[in-house]
Amino acid sequence: GAGVSQSPRYKVAKRGQDVALRCDPISGHVSLFWYQQALGQGPEFLTYFQNEAQLDKSGLPSDRFFAERPEGSVSTLKIQRTQQEDSAVYLCASSLNSPRDLYEQYFGPGTRLTVT
Amino acid sequence: AQSVTQLDSQVPVFEEAPVELRCNYSSSVSVYLFWYVQYPNQGLQLLLKYLSGSTLVKGINGFEAEFNKSQTSFHLRKPSVHISDTAEYFCAVSDLTQGGSEKLVFGKGTKLTVNP
Repeated sequence: GAGVSQSPRYKVAKRGQDVALRCDPISGHVSLFWYQQALGQGPEFLTYFQNEAQLDKSGLPSDRFFAERPEGSVSTLKIQRTQQEDSAVYLCASSLNSPRDLYEQYFGPGTRLTVT
Repeated sequence: AQSVTQLDSQVPVFEEAPVELRCNYSSSVSVYLFWYVQYPNQGLQLLLKYLSGSTLVKGINGFEAEFNKSQTSFHLRKPSVHISDTAEYFCAVSDLTQGGSEKLVFGKGTKLTVNP
């Protein structure tokens, strides 16, 4: 079956440009997460949606980062005025909100963002 | 805030040898614990999880982990590794005391290299 997909897989942006990263979760998954993975590090939480509601955005590093999930399915992570420190792999994950699958997050392949 | 420590950044091992990847987390009343594997240029795949019950958890690909509450550890083990187990392994925790948020806190990862 189809897993979590992300696009683009690779993105090169010049410093100061805006970028938009897309995540298509597994159909029917209620919860959606964004994580940032810097080179040689573990993923770090950015933000969390339950359906269209953004319930936790405590991990967004600055107000240049913005995420949305307007219809409770596809999500977009937008980074405005990119900086070199934004270079990382951005991972999206989704999960069902059922007791059996509680906390089991399915990850996409990630978008590798390089800011030059 | 919850934190996860993976004590070894790199673990080289010969094929068919046993391996243990160590993980410690900061103390909390209730936690869920996970091990994920990441192959090059791919997203994270869940190996196993501890939610409750038996402290010995069996996962995919012959891996198992033991939850030790007194030592706040969740070490990953495999009795005999294969070349195909070469990958990065991440330990993660979900802290139930943080208002029930499902977000995961990851360690920095352990790169397992299996040599012939």
